[in-house]
Amino acid sequence: DVKVTQSSRYLVKRTGEKVFLECVQDMDHENMFWYRQDPGLGLRLIYFSYDVKMKEKGDIPEGYSVSREKKERFSLILESASTNQTSMYLCASRVTDYGYTFGSGTRLTVV
Amino acid sequence: QKEVEQNSGPLSVPEGAIASLNCTYSDRGSQSFFWYRQYSGKSPELIMSIYSNGDKEDGRFTAQLNKASQYVSLLIRDSQPSDSATYLCAVELGGTSYGKLTFGQGTILTVHP
Repeated sequence: DVKVTQSSRYLVKRTGEKVFLECVQDMDHENMFWYRQDPGLGLRLIYFSYDVKMKEKGDIPEGYSVSREKKERFSLILESASTNQTSMYLCASRVTDYGYTFGSGTRLTVV
Repeated sequence: QKEVEQNSGPLSVPEGAIASLNCTYSDRGSQSFFWYRQYSGKSPELIMSIYSNGDKEDGRFTAQLNKASQYVSLLIRDSQPSDSATYLCAVELGGTSYGKLTFGQGTILTVHP
């Protein structure tokens, strides 16, 4: 089975901090995705990547950036954390013809 | 119109009943369809995928796809309290690149004893 690992389950950060969320998958998938999930708003795509160093903006990229230096690792960066970025962050990877495999999620609180 | 819409719920059924979850999508060229289950505080887990018109059964779960009417549904037979969760419909919309899936808002299902 594909395993997608997110480095932290819970994080508390201060406003203005630079925050790194890490995601690693173990199945050589090319496509990786970062979502945030908020009550009443569902899953919203932030960024995705289809190969090393290749990335595309999703629906809500403002305030975020990403890095993919190795195929197995896709990092989400909050350049200057704000309270409205408090959310559940979900990483997923996918191979064509199969659904996403999600990581366990990171619940980020910005205070 | 949202690209992927689910019946808003919440849906409450008694134990042992059939739960019916529905999803419609906007793009006629869509090819791949998925149902995820998400327990409170957990990440979504894939429970069904369907690609062709008709029914696909897996244990107590049946996915139904009708591309002409642009809907996909999930039936849960003999519902159990452990089925209580949010169910997410996900579609690979036509013309989508890089395997991106579009999700519905989710339907909260409660199975009461």
